[in-house]
Amino acid sequence: GAVVSQHPSRVICKSGTSVKIECRSLDFQATTMFWYRQFPKQSLMLMATSNEGSKATYEQGVEKDKFLINHASLTLSTLTVTSAHPEDSSFYICSARQLAGDLDTQYFGPGTRLTVL
Amino acid sequence: EDQVTQSPEALRLQEGESSSLNCSYTVSGLRGLFWYRQDPGKGPEFLFTLYSAGEEKEKERLKATLTKKESFLHITAPKPEDSATYLCAVQLRYNFNKFYFGSGTKLNVKP
Repeated sequence: GAVVSQHPSRVICKSGTSVKIECRSLDFQATTMFWYRQFPKQSLMLMATSNEGSKATYEQGVEKDKFLINHASLTLSTLTVTSAHPEDSSFYICSARQLAGDLDTQYFGPGTRLTVL
Repeated sequence: EDQVTQSPEALRLQEGESSSLNCSYTVSGLRGLFWYRQDPGKGPEFLFTLYSAGEEKEKERLKATLTKKESFLHITAPKPEDSATYLCAVQLRYNFNKFYFGSGTKLNVKP
């Protein structure tokens, strides 16, 4: 099956610093990747759609200047949380969209636990 | 308004006690319906994609079915290792980048 990795799996940072999270599709190319946020005991909340070679599309209420997304290649998208604050602490999950014939499936990474002190 | 609703929110089963999880949807046009399994602290793991009413897919003790309004995930003779949160998501026909997730059903299978 398709594999998506995320790095780091956990990060603890001080308030005001920036944190970069990488999402890689390991065995397929993904023109589209998605970034989600998940709060405890809640479902996934889509933050933005990342398209290779173009600007990301952000969901309503998500600050694009705070959550910088770069999709520089067909296998890598990055999410940078700028000037992080404690309220940004959350579980961030990326997914990569695999298109193969008629199949169109999102495969998820293992997630990144961000804690901002 | 496009919407996905899962029920029940939580389900406790004894090992071997079969049951079904429900995912009902109201969308402007369905391209595909997806089922995922999520373990605590991990990303969702892909299980199935269903594209048209009447379609069924199976994997070990799991079987997913689809109608025009809802999907069921049937779990036959579950084992404790099937305990997880099961998520469904729908992809819109008119916007392939739009996926709506349900809130999930947390399944707990007791030995």
